[in-house]
Amino acid sequence: DVVMTQSPLSLPVTLGQPASISCRSSQSLVHSDGNTYLNWFQQRPGQSPRRLIYKVSNRDSGVPDRFSGSGSGTDFTLKISRVEAEDVGVYYCMQGTHWPPLAFGPGTKVDIK
Amino acid sequence: QVQLVESGGGVVQPGGSLRLSCAASGFIFSTYGMHWVRQAPGKGLEWVAFIRYDGSNKYYADSVKGRFTISRDNSKNTLYLQMNSLRAEDTAVYYCAKASGVLIGGDYWGQGTLVTVSS
Repeated sequence: DVVMTQSPLSLPVTLGQPASISCRSSQSLVHSDGNTYLNWFQQRPGQSPRRLIYKVSNRDSGVPDRFSGSGSGTDFTLKISRVEAEDVGVYYCMQGTHWPPLAFGPGTKVDIK
Repeated sequence: QVQLVESGGGVVQPGGSLRLSCAASGFIFSTYGMHWVRQAPGKGLEWVAFIRYDGSNKYYADSVKGRFTISRDNSKNTLYLQMNSLRAEDTAVYYCAKASGVLIGGDYWGQGTLVTVSS
C-alpha cells in the first residue's frame, strides 16, 4: 500500500503570514488515466473533515482562494497565503490513485503562535 | 443542501456487533458512491469502506475486511455499516461521506457517530 507522510506535523503560524505543508507519497500518484489523485482535507477543532482541494490543485466550492495546492509525482504542497484564525485545525493529504485503500497522511496541526 | 446524519453508535463489548446508519438528503443518493471513514480518539483519519452508487461493488480496508459490511438502501436514502467481531481498536468516530468521485474522497461529510468497544 502507498504510505503518505506529511511535514511538519505541527505548524505554529502568525496571523496574516503564509504557511506551507508538505505531503509525500511512497509511490508516484500519477494514475493510468493521466490524473493525479492527491487531495487535501481540513478538520477544524470539534468538526468533521472538509475537502479543500482535489486532484492536486482544484479548490472545492466555497474554499477561499488563499488556499492553493501544487506538486507532482510524489511531492505535494498545500499553501495558505495569509493565515486567518479560522484556518486553525489539522490538515490531511489523501491519495486515491492506488486504491483501495484510500490513504491519508498523518495530519499537520496548524495553530496560531 | 447536502445533509448526512450518522446514527447507531454506542458502547459495545469486544466481540459484539453494531450497525451504523447514515441518512442522506439534499442530493440524489442513488447516483453517488459512499464512503465510511473513521477516526480513533486523538488520531488521524482512516478510510474504512466504499460502496458504489448501486451497491454493485464494495471495498474494504484490510483492518475491517471480513468483519464489517457496507450496504445501502437507495429507496430509503440510507447507508449502513454492519460491524461484527468488534475489537478495542475499532473504537472511533465513524463518518459517512458522499463520494463525488471515488478517488477524490468525500466532498460532504456527516457529523460522525462514536463507537466505543470496551468491556
